[in-house]
Amino acid sequence: NAGVTQTPKFQVLKTGQSMTLQCAQDMNHNSMYWYRQDPGMGLRLIYYSASEGTTDKGEVPNGYNVSRLNKREFSLRLESAAPSQTSVYFCASKRGSANTGELFFGEGSRLTVL
Amino acid sequence: KQEVTQIPAALSVPEGENLVLNCSFTDSAIYNLQWFRQDPGKGLTSLLLIQSSQREQTSGRLNASLDKSSGRSTLYIAASQPGDSATYLCAVRRNNAGNMLTFGGGTRLMVKP
Repeated sequence: NAGVTQTPKFQVLKTGQSMTLQCAQDMNHNSMYWYRQDPGMGLRLIYYSASEGTTDKGEVPNGYNVSRLNKREFSLRLESAAPSQTSVYFCASKRGSANTGELFFGEGSRLTVL
Repeated sequence: KQEVTQIPAALSVPEGENLVLNCSFTDSAIYNLQWFRQDPGKGLTSLLLIQSSQREQTSGRLNASLDKSSGRSTLYIAASQPGDSATYLCAVRRNNAGNMLTFGGGTRLMVKP
């Protein structure tokens, strides 16, 4: 059982370049999330999707866009990367409704913006 | 705004010791609290989920307690092993916050053989 799969695992970009982080889950979960993890800042929610066809902003959405392609897949796009977006990005999913259920995480995508 | 604090930030213990990790939160109106483990370079693995109506949850050598009124949770690890070495994070879901989890900064645990 693969769980939550993220690609790529590592990426180096130059300032201004664009890229998309891919996430897929095979647990038939309704909700999917994108977090970033930075030293001293902990994990912060970027965007989430409570169900297929819906997306909402989290705590730090600026500079990002998301697409919930179908129930399995939730992608995160950086249109014009900035050094401040250097971080480790985690995708997560959850079966339950807004308040219920455990969160399951992918292994992370380490992004460096030069 | 909910703030979650984990103290200490790092802890080193000899193998076999029982230990307690602490998590405190400022807003007691929470729906649930979840403890995670993160190994270096890896994602987060869920350990225990405690609903606001519960006082504790147990899984193997792990026991998590929740005291909503005082804004505290503890993760108790019995008979620690070197394989327990990792960063432990707690996260709180507030009432009416829907999908927003607030994470603590984590406690980095090292269990020495």
